[in-house]
Amino acid sequence: GAGVSQSPSNKVTEKGKDVELRCDPISGHTALYWYRQSLGQGLEFLIYFQGNSAPDKSGLPSDRFSAERTGGSVSTLTIQRTQQEDSAVYLCASSSYRGRDNEQFFGPGTRLTVL
Amino acid sequence: AQRVTQPEKLLSVFKGAPVELKCNYSYSGSPELFWYVQYSRQRLQLLLRHISRESIKGFTADLNKGETSFHLKKPFAQEEDSAMYYCALSLIKAAGNKLTFGGGTRVLVKP
Repeated sequence: GAGVSQSPSNKVTEKGKDVELRCDPISGHTALYWYRQSLGQGLEFLIYFQGNSAPDKSGLPSDRFSAERTGGSVSTLTIQRTQQEDSAVYLCASSSYRGRDNEQFFGPGTRLTVL
Repeated sequence: AQRVTQPEKLLSVFKGAPVELKCNYSYSGSPELFWYVQYSRQRLQLLLRHISRESIKGFTADLNKGETSFHLKKPFAQEEDSAMYYCALSLIKAAGNKLTFGGGTRVLVKP
């Protein structure tokens, strides 16, 4: 079946604009994660969804970042008033989260460049 | 808080030579350790996990709780092993299983 998909693959925006990044998880996966991969910080966790709720938002760097998930499927990560330090590759992962079968499957990422 | 350290940013070896990627972690509880790999122009994918105790593509990793290490080893490196490797940790029984990653090690296998 299809893996995790993300759109857009690349996004260039101007400082101060809002952006939305989309993630389509593997069908049936109840857990969804957002991570950020940047030169200075490496790979870091942002937020975790179980179904439509987000029990762990501890990695969101500021209140300019928010995310939602609808229908237990698609998730959108929104960054308001983008800053240059938001430039990074944003990765989404999903997992079936059944007992020990908790392997996370990653999407190809969205490369965000803030000018 | 948990932390994962990969001391080598780059490892360059010749084909057929052994390769070892170091990973140390800090966490006082019971972590689950993983190695993820990212080949050029491909997405991040799981290579192996300590609970499986299996060898994937000739790679093995042993969890050493005394030394808090989870080093990745392969006795004979191949050119197709050239990639970025990330060691990661999640907390057993913690809600969410979020991953904490090390900084990554780039492996270059020369012919």
